[in-house]
Amino acid sequence: AQSVTQLGSHVSVSEGALVLLRCNYSSSVPPYLFWYVQYPNQGLQLLLKYTTGATLVKGINGFEAEFKKSETSFHLTKPSAHMSDAAEYFCAVSGPRGGNKLVFGAGTILRVKS
Amino acid sequence: GAGVSQSPSNKVTEKGKDVELRCDPISGHTALYWYRQSLGQGLEFLIYFQGNSAPDKSGLPSDRFSAERTGGSVSTLTIQRTQQEDSAVYLCASSPHGDYEQYFGPGTRLTVT
Repeated sequence: AQSVTQLGSHVSVSEGALVLLRCNYSSSVPPYLFWYVQYPNQGLQLLLKYTTGATLVKGINGFEAEFKKSETSFHLTKPSAHMSDAAEYFCAVSGPRGGNKLVFGAGTILRVKS
Repeated sequence: GAGVSQSPSNKVTEKGKDVELRCDPISGHTALYWYRQSLGQGLEFLIYFQGNSAPDKSGLPSDRFSAERTGGSVSTLTIQRTQQEDSAVYLCASSPHGDYEQYFGPGTRLTVT
């Protein structure tokens, strides 16, 4: 079975500060890992994904994440927060085989203070 | 190009009524997924289609829930005899083959009164 734990249901940062959203996963098979963002009353938008290869992955809007197998982590970072980054962020895991469902973490609401 | 679309965007229904939720995936995407997002349970997988068949229905919460997909395209999620605990946002996603990232629609907000 697979599971995802996101540490911190709410994170608050100042505009221009580093954003760090934490994600730890559990998987009995090599995982595919994803970060999605959800703005109010909208669907989920993919930020970035890790499948195989380079462990540091870059996504949209300046976000990146690093897959650390030894720590079973996939933390999301952005060097400088912008007001428009305020949203809810979800980490998700799926298996390497076709058709696997996404298993989501509980989500982290990011607040950006001016 | 066009993304995943869902209809209706909002649905209010009385307890005990049946509802149908529709999903139009991205053209050419063979895999389609339904998820449910609720305050208490977060984001939960419901069912996965590859083409018109559903190899994984493990997330459907009860036999009141069913789904079908026709022509390898449109999917309908049906909830019979709705209960208040069915109130949630129902999200549909599609992907090219099931190996790739999933693209989500805007969701249908279901409220059971």
